[in-house]
Amino acid sequence: KAGVTQTPRYLIKTRGQQVTLSCSPISGHRSVSWYQQTPGQGLQFLFEYFSETQRNKGNFPGRFSGRQFSNSRSEMNVSTLELGDSALYLCASSLAGLYGYTFGSGTRLTVV
Amino acid sequence: DQQVKQNSPSLSVQEGRISILNCDYTNSMFDYFLWYKKYPAEGPTFLISISSIKDKNEDGRFTVFLNKSAKHLSLHIVPSQPGDSAVYFCAASPSMNYGGSQGNLIFGKGTKLSVKP
Repeated sequence: KAGVTQTPRYLIKTRGQQVTLSCSPISGHRSVSWYQQTPGQGLQFLFEYFSETQRNKGNFPGRFSGRQFSNSRSEMNVSTLELGDSALYLCASSLAGLYGYTFGSGTRLTVV
Repeated sequence: DQQVKQNSPSLSVQEGRISILNCDYTNSMFDYFLWYKKYPAEGPTFLISISSIKDKNEDGRFTVFLNKSAKHLSLHIVPSQPGDSAVYFCAASPSMNYGGSQGNLIFGKGTKLSVKP
């Protein structure tokens, strides 16, 4: 059974650019959540999508957005990148709620 | 305002001894707690969880204790092995929420455990 797949694994972008990260959940999982991990702040919740609708949102600026497609795959977008956006971005999928909650390996974003 | 706190950024123990990782929380609405283990460049891996109706849950070498009145939980690893060396995250949620969509967790900042041979 395939796990949660995040692409790309590594990304280097320049300040001011935008970036799109992708997450393919475990087959059958309808909930996809995104987290940002930085050394100083640990893992912080970005947002959660369930059946193509954003259900929860963390305390991040509007530059961070996401969406979910009908096949449950999800993308997150960060516009006007700042140096502080450099982080490991993790995606987790679940059947619903925390049932079967599984993380992907993440996308390491570096902003220079 | 951190709702989940892991006050020890690091912990070093000898192989075979007990490792105790601590976690405090402030939000009394939290009803379900989880521990994750994370290696560098990998996503967190679920270890063990506990619901607020219990005060202890055991799974092999791992035991989680919950003290609701003190808003404190701890993870015990006995005996500790070098392969346990990783960052351990405590996380909390208002509920397991099987039927709903509450797919978000509040994490502590993690404790880096080093188990020395």
